[in-house]
Amino acid sequence: NAGVTQTPKFRVLKTGQSMTLLCAQDMNHEYMYWYRQDPGMGLRLIHYSVGEGTTAKGEVPDGYNVSRLKKQNFLLGLESAAPSQTSVYFCASRSGTASSYNEQFFGPGTRLTVL
Amino acid sequence: KNQVEQSPQSLIILEGKNCTLQCNYTVSPFSNLRWYKQDTGRGPVSLTIMTFSENTKSNGRYTATLDADTKQSSLHITASQLSDSASYICVVSAGAAGNKLTFGGGTRVLVKP
Repeated sequence: NAGVTQTPKFRVLKTGQSMTLLCAQDMNHEYMYWYRQDPGMGLRLIHYSVGEGTTAKGEVPDGYNVSRLKKQNFLLGLESAAPSQTSVYFCASRSGTASSYNEQFFGPGTRLTVL
Repeated sequence: KNQVEQSPQSLIILEGKNCTLQCNYTVSPFSNLRWYKQDTGRGPVSLTIMTFSENTKSNGRYTATLDADTKQSSLHITASQLSDSASYICVVSAGAAGNKLTFGGGTRVLVKP
């Protein structure tokens, strides 16, 4: 049981390049999330999904796109990377059960640098 | 606007000593409050979670308290160990299903021998 995994772990892009970050979870969770973490700031939600085939915008969605073609995978795409997207990206997942105790399980993160 | 403020931003303590981290929030409607531990280069890992009716919860040497009236929470670390060096993040969940999370900026703790 690997939990939440993310690939790649590190990536350096040049401005204008594109890339896709992959998140996979093996806990059969309904909900999946993409966050970014910047120094001195709390994690901020980029996009999320409440089930296979569905996506929704979070707090800071501009410049990113997502897809959830399979329940276990959630992809985050950058079509034209900008230096402002230099950050650490975390994926998380949680059960769809309606409970106040539901917690989000986080992946190990992807450190992205845009030059 | 929902906000979570943590203090201090960082602290250094000697191994074996205790410390307390603070979290103030303005999140509505409140669902639950979590404390996460984040080791350098890793994702956050849940330590405790408390709903409105719970005012204290422990996980080993970590004890969290919640005062829903004053909208404050604290995380107490007892007999600190070198492995406690990490960032501690307070996260408040809003909404009936608790799906909307607001993250604090974290407190970075360094335990020195």
